[in-house]
Amino acid sequence: AQSVTQLDSHVSVSEGTPVLLRCNYSSSYSPSLFWYVQHPNKGLQLLLKYTSAATLVKGINGFEAEFKKSETSFHLTKPSAHMSDAAEYFCVVSAFNDYKLSFGAGTTVTVRA
Amino acid sequence: SAVISQKPSRDICQRGTSLTIQCQVDSQVTMMFWYRQQPGQSLTLIATANQGSEATYESGFVIDKFPISRPNLTFSTLTVSNMSPEDSSIYLCSAAGASTDTQYFGPGTRLTVL
Repeated sequence: AQSVTQLDSHVSVSEGTPVLLRCNYSSSYSPSLFWYVQHPNKGLQLLLKYTSAATLVKGINGFEAEFKKSETSFHLTKPSAHMSDAAEYFCVVSAFNDYKLSFGAGTTVTVRA
Repeated sequence: SAVISQKPSRDICQRGTSLTIQCQVDSQVTMMFWYRQQPGQSLTLIATANQGSEATYESGFVIDKFPISRPNLTFSTLTVSNMSPEDSSIYLCSAAGASTDTQYFGPGTRLTVL
């Protein structure tokens, strides 16, 4: 079985400052890991995914995440927050070659002007 | 990536009635799924929609309450039956192709049951 824990339910940053969203995972097998973003009243958009290739994964809109097996973590970062980054972010895990996704509880990001 | 549409985008329904949600994908996909997102919550998988056979339901979800159809490789429906206010949620479908483990999501259907 696999699961994820998002360590922060809410993150508030100033525009132009770095963003860090923390995620720890648990998986019996080599996991696939994803970050999705959900803007208000919108569907989910895939930001990036890790599937056992490079441990540093670059995604859309300047986001990146680093897979650290020793720490069972997959934290999401962005060097400079933009107002449009205000949204709900979900860390998601699946077992390798298993389509079933397990979602974290989500982290709400607010960006202050 | 697949482009997924859902209809309706939102609805307000009376308790005891049923609503059928449609999910259309712009290309043939191997897997289709239905999720529920209760207010302020994360997503929970309801079932996997299997083409040509009965859907596979997750624990806590049953076919009588959430019948699912998947007549072909690009279309699926989810019915929320005998609705109660507790069914008020966003319902999302997703799809994945045979060569990828990545799921793409539809925009969701926001359901309010009075």
